[in-house]
Amino acid sequence: GQQVMQIPQYQHVQEGEDFTTYCNSSTTLSNIQWYKQRPGGHPVFLIQLVKSGEVKKQKRLTFQFGEAKKNSSLHITATQTTDVGTYFCAGRGSGAGSYQLTFGKGTKLSVIP
Amino acid sequence: GAVVSQHPSRVICKSGTSVKIECRSLDFQATTMFWYRQFPKQSLMLMATSNEGSKATYEQGVEKDKFLINHASLTLSTLTVTSAHPEDSSFYICSAYSGTANGYTFGSGTRLTVV
Repeated sequence: GQQVMQIPQYQHVQEGEDFTTYCNSSTTLSNIQWYKQRPGGHPVFLIQLVKSGEVKKQKRLTFQFGEAKKNSSLHITATQTTDVGTYFCAGRGSGAGSYQLTFGKGTKLSVIP
Repeated sequence: GAVVSQHPSRVICKSGTSVKIECRSLDFQATTMFWYRQFPKQSLMLMATSNEGSKATYEQGVEKDKFLINHASLTLSTLTVTSAHPEDSSFYICSAYSGTANGYTFGSGTRLTVV
């Protein structure tokens, strides 16, 4: 079945440093989504990428979708303490009628003030 | 924006009892909802796909007789953990697809503790 690998598992950064998390799918995806989960909370949708090579920005966050639609990355510029949490990528398969998401294991970001 | 309400948020039950968790889409209709389980510091594992008006589709390794799913309307899906045991203690989260702009909206989760 579809697998989504996400690295690194943990990342500790000094406030102001940049942060990147990467996802790789074993199969071609129809789209990839990114979620943020704060400690004790539930995943919150950040963005969805659909097109091959797509790049989207949300303030200090930059999301990329690979040309082959099998990998993706999330980059945060100049991290802040409010960025703390676990970032998950989730891939949606390309099969007809496929609505299921396969989640990566997440990258837990800690920001040292 | 799209909202999914999940209740209860926390529940403690005795071993052998059953617990029902509700998941409601408040401002949109969800023909399909998903139930996940998340162990501490781990990712979300899909348990089953809940389809309105039909049987749920369970992932491999998930006991359908233990985790009963009912999706009786376009806005409500329930997960019942039957004859709960301590190893069933976990964080259970539901989600529903709420459209391209909102992706999948998650409920706030239910932390189940079986004692």
